[in-house]
Amino acid sequence: NAGVTQTPKFQVLKTGQSMTLQCAQDMNHNSMYWYRQDPGMGLRLIYYSASEGTTDKGEVPNGYNVSRLNKREFSLRLESAAPSQTSVYFCASSQTNEAFFGQGTRLTVV
Amino acid sequence: GENVEQHPSTLSVQEGDSAVIKCTYSDSASNYFPWYKQELGKGPQLIIDIRSNVGEKKDQRIAVTLNKTAKHFSLHITETQPEDSAVYFCAASHNDYKLSFGAGTTVTVRA
Repeated sequence: NAGVTQTPKFQVLKTGQSMTLQCAQDMNHNSMYWYRQDPGMGLRLIYYSASEGTTDKGEVPNGYNVSRLNKREFSLRLESAAPSQTSVYFCASSQTNEAFFGQGTRLTVV
Repeated sequence: GENVEQHPSTLSVQEGDSAVIKCTYSDSASNYFPWYKQELGKGPQLIIDIRSNVGEKKDQRIAVTLNKTAKHFSLHITETQPEDSAVYFCAASHNDYKLSFGAGTTVTVRA
């Protein structure tokens, strides 16, 4: 049982490049989330999807887009990467309140 | 929205001693308060949670207390061990499953 799987684990982008972070869960959870983690700031919610076919903005959505491809997959896209988007990104899923997190993607924008 | 503050940001304890981390929240409608542990290079993992209809919950060496009136909750780790060294996050939510996290506490257990 893999839980929540994120790809890639590490990525370096140049300013202005685009990329998509992939996330898949095999727990049949309805809700999925994207967080970013920065030193001294905890985890901040970027976007979430309460159920298949719905997405909503979280606390820090600017510069990001998401797609809930199906119940299993929830991707995060950076259309034009900026140095301020250098962070560790976590995908999570939940059925009730308990959230299960992936291993994270460490993204550096230079 | 919900604002969760967490203190201290770092905590160093001698092995065998207790560790206490405190959080406050702003939204009186919040009713679910989990604690997550994050080890180096991994994602956060739930270690204990408490709901607003309960004042205290214990699981072996870990306990959480909740004071709804004062809007604060705390994590207590007794008889600390080296494997307790990690970053701990508190969080709060109110029925919509979105968690608001504190900034985290880095706990170091000295042998």
